[in-house]
Amino acid sequence: TQLLEQSPQFLSIQEGENLTVYCNSSSVFSSLQWYRQEPGEGPVLLVTVVTGGEVKKLKRLTFQFGDARKDSSLHITAAQPGDTGLYLCAGAWSNSGYALNFGKGTSLLVTP
Amino acid sequence: ETGVTQSPTHLIKTRGQQVTLRCSSQSGHNTVSWYQQALGQGPQFIFQYYREEENGRGNFPPRFSGLQFPNYSSELNVNALELDDSALYLCASSPEAGNYGYTFGSGTRLTVV
Repeated sequence: TQLLEQSPQFLSIQEGENLTVYCNSSSVFSSLQWYRQEPGEGPVLLVTVVTGGEVKKLKRLTFQFGDARKDSSLHITAAQPGDTGLYLCAGAWSNSGYALNFGKGTSLLVTP
Repeated sequence: ETGVTQSPTHLIKTRGQQVTLRCSSQSGHNTVSWYQQALGQGPQFIFQYYREEENGRGNFPPRFSGLQFPNYSSELNVNALELDDSALYLCASSPEAGNYGYTFGSGTRLTVV
């Protein structure tokens, strides 16, 4: 059961456009983590957000954790073909040893 | 530092057989978790080990079992394989059981025929 809802599921944009991916849940998480996965590989950690309202930036990527720690967003500015991949959000709970509950992911394709 | 390594990379088994998948955690990491990822889906949490003890389990039947060794490497065992067990099995390690983020291996692709 996926307790985290990600939207959109698929996104195809042109190089230079901006985009936002959303991750929503009815549960409060200890932390929210974003990963990027390429075909045939495991997910790679992009960022961990812990505090409600927290904003973190990683070059052209901006991550925000909702005030109530139930939702998060990922914004990419001026997307590049190298940003293509599957973006996964994952929530961690202290009562499950901080193991991750993943959303289904957002598949992003950036064309030149 | 080496990352998380999993073996084998690919495996084909027959329905009803048993399989063991192996994972070496990243150096200095004492927490290992296992995930099942079906095609087109996000990873599903199977279980997690912290300092050789299971400290979390997802919604998987008892035929999915595991082990963590003193060097923090880990095994995932699946008995009585079913066709629906075909998936990518991912192992991930973390420095501690906390909000530290995980390092994932490249996975084992299991096909049950």
